[in-house]
Parts: sequence; C-alpha cells; structure tokens
Amino acid sequence: QKEVEQDPGPLSVPEGAIVSLNCTYSNSAFQYFMWYRQYSRKGPELLMYTYSSGNKEDGRFTAQVDKSSKYISLFIRDSQPSDSATYLCAMSSQTGANNLFFGTGTRLTVIP
Amino acid sequence: KAGVTQTPRYLIKTRGQQVTLSCSPISGHRSVSWYQQTPGQGLQFLFEYFSETQRNKGNFPGRFSGRQFSNSRSEMNVSTLELGDSALYLCASSRGTSGGVNTQYFGPGTRLTVL
Repeated sequence: QKEVEQDPGPLSVPEGAIVSLNCTYSNSAFQYFMWYRQYSRKGPELLMYTYSSGNKEDGRFTAQVDKSSKYISLFIRDSQPSDSATYLCAMSSQTGANNLFFGTGTRLTVIP
Repeated sequence: KAGVTQTPRYLIKTRGQQVTLSCSPISGHRSVSWYQQTPGQGLQFLFEYFSETQRNKGNFPGRFSGRQFSNSRSEMNVSTLELGDSALYLCASSRGTSGGVNTQYFGPGTRLTVL
C-alpha cells in the first residue's frame, strides 16, 4: 500500500463549479501537507501548504487537513478553464524536509 | 529570477546504457532534490543534495546516483538502464534551510525513454 493515495480521476467539471480533490495517507508522522499543480509539460508548482490539522484559504483555493482521519482536501471555488491541470498532494514528516511523499495526481479539466 | 533548468529535455537510450541528467537550481538555492515521475507511481523521491552532500535518499537501487557541485548545480546518473527507468525526471531546488516548509521549485523535467 502506498503511503499517499489519491484518486487519479480524470475529473471534468463545468466552469464555475466547486472542485473537491482529496488524498488519504497512512503515515501518522506526516505533519506538513502541500498541494501542487502541474500543467502539461511543466514541473509541479506549489499551490498551498498547511501544517498539522486545520483549514487554509488563499483566494479561490481552500486546503483542509484532518489528521484524525488522515485525510486532506483541496477545494477550488468558481473553477476556471485555466485551472485545468494535474493536482498533486504531497506531505512530509520533518520540518524543512525536501523528501516529499506525493500522491499520483488528479487530472482536472474545467470546461468553458 | 531564472527558474530551475534541466538538460536535456528529452533523451532516448537503450537498455544497459547509462545516462547523466543535469539540473541548475535557482540562484541562491543550495538544496537540489530529484524525483522520478511515472503514471503508475507518481512522483517518487530519489535523493536530495545540500552543499555538495547527500542529505536524504529515497528507496531506489544503487544504479541511481547523484552529485552536487560547489555552484549547487547537480547531476543525476543512472547506470545499466532498464525499461522501467523510462520516466520524467524532475529536479527541484530550494533554499534548504530548516524550519517550516522549504518551498521547492521544480524544473520542467527530463523525459527519459529506454528502448
């Protein structure tokens, strides 16, 4: 079993929809949780990160972490065609660590 | 500020050969991490170099090795290539300092195809 599980999708939604992306994990030592966005033929770029449990909001994006359930989510409000990309969750157990554990990514398409 | 650059962008090799990939981090960044990305496994951490020393290592065989130079540029080498090594190899740079989250900036990757 992989340490981080993510529904690969693909997910297709109409413009303006609310998108929910999720990951589950098995390692209770994970404390830092990140969401990356990867466009085709590009490297991933960091969207948001949260530490431990709780919510974090940044514009149209909201990240949630529920450590008791080992479950993290990313919500995208008022989705736009430019949000079409692969979304990857990532996590680590150490402060400052660069050895991240990634989900396999969910491919999202927002239809105009 | 220039981003992370990786060369070459595409590479085709045959089984048994070896390959060297190069990564130039963002100026001022001392940490370089390497990841392998495949459709089935996603991104998997290979290793991290900080100030010319390997600081972390993932669960890959010894055929995968790397090094970092004094200017923080890094190279990754794969010897005795296997078909399963076909993947996108991503390099990420960060400041590498402790505390909180080190934002990693990824390059566009090198697409390696092993025939």
